[in-house]
Amino acid sequence: DAGVIQSPRHEVTEMGQEVTLRCKPISGHDYLFWYRQTMMRGLELLIYFNNNVPIDDSGMPEDRFSAKMPNASFSNLKIQPSEPRDSAVYFCASSLWGTGRNSPLHFGNGTRLTVT
Amino acid sequence: GQQLNQSPQSMFIQEGEDVSMNCTSSSIFNTWLWYKQDPGEGPVLLIALYKAGELTSNGRLTAQFGITRKDSFLNISASIPSDVGIYFCAGPSGTYKYIFGTGTRLKVLA
Repeated sequence: DAGVIQSPRHEVTEMGQEVTLRCKPISGHDYLFWYRQTMMRGLELLIYFNNNVPIDDSGMPEDRFSAKMPNASFSNLKIQPSEPRDSAVYFCASSLWGTGRNSPLHFGNGTRLTVT
Repeated sequence: GQQLNQSPQSMFIQEGEDVSMNCTSSSIFNTWLWYKQDPGEGPVLLIALYKAGELTSNGRLTAQFGITRKDSFLNISASIPSDVGIYFCAGPSGTYKYIFGTGTRLKVLA
């Protein structure tokens, strides 16, 4: 099992540019989550999907952020336009069936985003 | 809303010492998860607990699901330098998502 795969590992961009982060969840997992990690706020849940459908996007900070899951093996998170305060590590995670027994979260290695 | 409080926030210990950390919730949980995050990497699942009072080990790590269901504990025995990192607890917030504690940052002095 390859685990959750994220790309790119690092992204450096200028303010105002569009940023796209990508994620491939573990095969067979029905839930996909996007988290953001900063020193100040820790791990924050941005949005999650069930069977490719967005369920709760209340954590998405602004309209500049959007996420899609066109199929069971791919999701992307877009920031347009990006701002310096978006600098953080963005994690994708997946789970079998939400928070049930034997359904822990599995994380990717993250994308470190720096907006200058 | 639900909150998870971890303590201590950080700790320095000598190699070979035992380590204890805990996590408390403002509400009852039916699952506790413990993760470790190495620098530059994503959190990795260490131990999952599903029953009050449960004690589960993974090598030198032992975690317990508190009987009140509002707390959990993680112990590391005979710490080694590679134990350095941030340890997170997590619990369910509703049926579909997890919330995370603020983390315990562990540094091991050789």
